[in-house]
Amino acid sequence: DQQVKQNSPSLSVQEGRISILNCDYTNSMFDYFLWYKKYPAEGPTFLISISSIKDKNEDGRFTVFLNKSAKHLSLHIVPSQPGDSAVYFCAARDGGATNKLIFGTGTLLAVQP
Amino acid sequence: EAGVVQSPRYKIIEKKQPVAFWCNPISGHNTLYWYRQNLGQGPELLIRYENEEAVDDSQLPKDRFSAERLKGVDSTLKIQPAELGDSAVYLCASSFQGTSSTQYFGPGTRLTVL
Repeated sequence: DQQVKQNSPSLSVQEGRISILNCDYTNSMFDYFLWYKKYPAEGPTFLISISSIKDKNEDGRFTVFLNKSAKHLSLHIVPSQPGDSAVYFCAARDGGATNKLIFGTGTLLAVQP
Repeated sequence: EAGVVQSPRYKIIEKKQPVAFWCNPISGHNTLYWYRQNLGQGPELLIRYENEEAVDDSQLPKDRFSAERLKGVDSTLKIQPAELGDSAVYLCASSFQGTSSTQYFGPGTRLTVL
């Protein structure tokens, strides 16, 4: 049973435009959400996070939105740059002190020059 | 500051052979995690250490997998014997204990079992 879902395996956008990556989850006990970016042959790199008590967190070109009622979060990248091309993983923490992260399957973003 | 270090980066072995992966976490990080990432999937937690204690190993296949973190710093993950289905990328991550959900990952070891 996939608790964190990224239903779009890939996304292609033009440089300068907005990239929107989506993530859905099923467990209402998740209390923290993170986005990781992964280049080929490298480990995932932390990008941005959001607590379940917030609905938005912004860091430069990256903004994460959380809709708890819909159990949905999204990552917006504006403007998109070719260097943003990577696989993006959504992850959710299962709450409490375990700090266990549940990852989605990833979305491959390709930003076209 | 150095990140999470893993070695080897790549390993190719025949089935039924043993294999070991090593991880050195970021200095000062008490918590260490081993993940397995299959092709096309996200990382899945195998085991989590708080200092030298394994506090969550529920996803570790204990018949063939073992791990240790004897001095609470670096860690070794072992598979013996390896099976074809163990081919994957094995990722190590670390974080501060209890203060942050942010886990920092190493580059991983890509294991191919023939």
